[in-house]
Amino acid sequence: AQKITQTQPGMFVQEKEAVTLDCTYDTSDQSYGLFWYKQPSSGEMIFLIYQGSYDEQNATEGRYSLNFQKARKSANLVISASQLGDSAMYFCAMRESTGGGNKLTFGTGTQLKVEL
Amino acid sequence: DTGVSQNPRHKITKRGQNVTFRCDPISEHNRLYWYRQTLGQGPEFLTYFQNEAQLEKSRLLSDRFSAERPKGSFSTLEIQRTEQGDSAMYLCASSGTRTDTQYFGPGTRLTVL
Repeated sequence: AQKITQTQPGMFVQEKEAVTLDCTYDTSDQSYGLFWYKQPSSGEMIFLIYQGSYDEQNATEGRYSLNFQKARKSANLVISASQLGDSAMYFCAMRESTGGGNKLTFGTGTQLKVEL
Repeated sequence: DTGVSQNPRHKITKRGQNVTFRCDPISEHNRLYWYRQTLGQGPEFLTYFQNEAQLEKSRLLSDRFSAERPKGSFSTLEIQRTEQGDSAMYLCASSGTRTDTQYFGPGTRLTVL
């Protein structure tokens, strides 16, 4: 069963606009972590933001924020004021505390294109 | 602050040959992970070390794959008798004990002809 679902294979956004990338997850753990990574065409995975399952406030890191809705099991990434350099592949990932050790399970990604 | 480094960045080999990749984690990180990423997919977990101990291995890691981290610092991933299906990006990541966040290296792109 797929544990991380990213339903948007591709997204377009105009420069300076905000964009939301969707992520839903499936786990029976009470303690887990959710991550977003950016992968430019060069291939390196760049950590963006982290949300712990017990964190009551949504995580924010600069222009990135994570819209965490625990009951809906969703962890959407919001990028504000998009820049051309934001064009990349974005992956949502989950770390479960039991049975999976510390490994991350990734979704299939969303390709974001920022246009002028 | 030096990030995770991987060598080589690219490797082209013929089917049946052995290849070895190296990963140097962030210096204070005691956890090290290997992932494999094929085209159009997210990374898939291969194996995980805490210090020199290999604590978990995925079923994806066939008998032809072996990973080591002999002194708890750098790690090597060896693939014996490579097959065309091994062509992928091999990513290494490391994390410390204070945080769950895994930081990735630039990857080694393997092409098996």
